[in-house]
Amino acid sequence: DGGITQSPKYLFRKEGQNVTLSCEQNLNHDAMYWYRQDPGQGLRLIYYSQIVNDFQKGDIAEGYSVSREKKESFPLTVTSAQKNPTAFYLCASSRSVTEAFFGQGTRLTVV
Amino acid sequence: QKEVEQDPGPLSVPEGAIVSLNCTYSNSAFQYFMWYRQYSRKGPELLMYTYSSGNKEDGRFTAQVDKSSKYISLFIRDSQPSDSATYLCAIGATSGTYKYIFGTGTRLKVLA
Repeated sequence: DGGITQSPKYLFRKEGQNVTLSCEQNLNHDAMYWYRQDPGQGLRLIYYSQIVNDFQKGDIAEGYSVSREKKESFPLTVTSAQKNPTAFYLCASSRSVTEAFFGQGTRLTVV
Repeated sequence: QKEVEQDPGPLSVPEGAIVSLNCTYSNSAFQYFMWYRQYSRKGPELLMYTYSSGNKEDGRFTAQVDKSSKYISLFIRDSQPSDSATYLCAIGATSGTYKYIFGTGTRLKVLA
């Protein structure tokens, strides 16, 4: 089955800790994206990548980092510099501007 | 002004009703328009996309775009309780990159 897999589904972070969210796709899409979703604010773009070894900051990149070493993978690290990381994180991929497909999300909570 | 505005709802309708969901956008450079459905605690699912003014139909769903007014709509006919979800509009442009701007979503509840 083709699709986007995000893991883990739930993640807990302690204060001052870095955590990495996984995103893998087998759709052969060039572009991949990370969004953050908070209640009442819709989806906000954190980072996006159109090709391997290249990525750009989105609207809320501070406190986050990414890598794109393989076409299939686009992991997101939430660093200790992100002061309010509790949110629902969504990864997406697309081969064209009209077909962005999403994973099932990772819910990150600071404990 | 936000680039995409969407009424957050919630919108409650009886089963079988016609539902109208709407978004407005501010930048005429955007050329592609999408609607996503998101169930609670799940990722958004692409329902429809269009890039021209006019209507596009898929089963019980119709997407409508009016570029002159910068207004997009999603109509759901014969609504079912299983349609209860949050509906997100998204607009896209190809100016060198594939970027999407999402509305905040409208929460819909269809009552049996």
